[in-house]
Amino acid sequence: DAGVTQSPTHLIKTRGQHVTLRCSPISGHKSVSWYQQVLGQGPQFIFQYYEKEERGRGNFPDRFSARQFPNYSSELNVNALLLGDSALYLCASSLYTSRAYEQYFGPGTRLTVT
Amino acid sequence: EDQVTQSPEALRLQEGESSSLNCSYTVSGLRGLFWYRQDPGKGPEFLFTLYSAGEEKEKERLKATLTKKESFLHITAPKPEDSATYLCAVQRRRHSGYSTLTFGKGTMLLVSP
Repeated sequence: DAGVTQSPTHLIKTRGQHVTLRCSPISGHKSVSWYQQVLGQGPQFIFQYYEKEERGRGNFPDRFSARQFPNYSSELNVNALLLGDSALYLCASSLYTSRAYEQYFGPGTRLTVT
Repeated sequence: EDQVTQSPEALRLQEGESSSLNCSYTVSGLRGLFWYRQDPGKGPEFLFTLYSAGEEKEKERLKATLTKKESFLHITAPKPEDSATYLCAVQRRRHSGYSTLTFGKGTMLLVSP
């Protein structure tokens, strides 16, 4: 079975530009979450979507937005890029076990803002 | 606010030298505690979920345990291929469909041959 896929793998943008990152969840998973990971830190929660509805939002500015499509794939959009947005952006899809939502991560998109 | 603290930040072991990584947490209503392995530049790889104090899970040379305040990841007779950053995360019990994780900064493990 295919795992979580993300595109593109790497991206270089200039300050002030806009970027769109894409994610396809594991087949059968209806929830997608986005995380930002800067070097030396753990992933930080940005958004969660479940059945195409936003279920959670982390402490990120309004420049960050996301959506989930009918096929459960998702896009993360970042406007007016800043140098500090340079990071590894991770997408995770969730499966509810009997007691918790296990999250499985994709390989990430490495964003560099110059 | 949920908090996760991992120690040590970095650990260097000789091949075969067993040790433990620590994850201390504060969360209001724990739904689950998760351990992940992350190789440089890659996404985290799921290892274990622990749900309640006293629970233990094992996978090859790794064993995770959970108390009400902390979790340990025990590595028995590690090999160089166990070198990676190990991340701990908690999930709070919230409304249906909400499954966000709060991560620690990770422990970077280096196993030398």
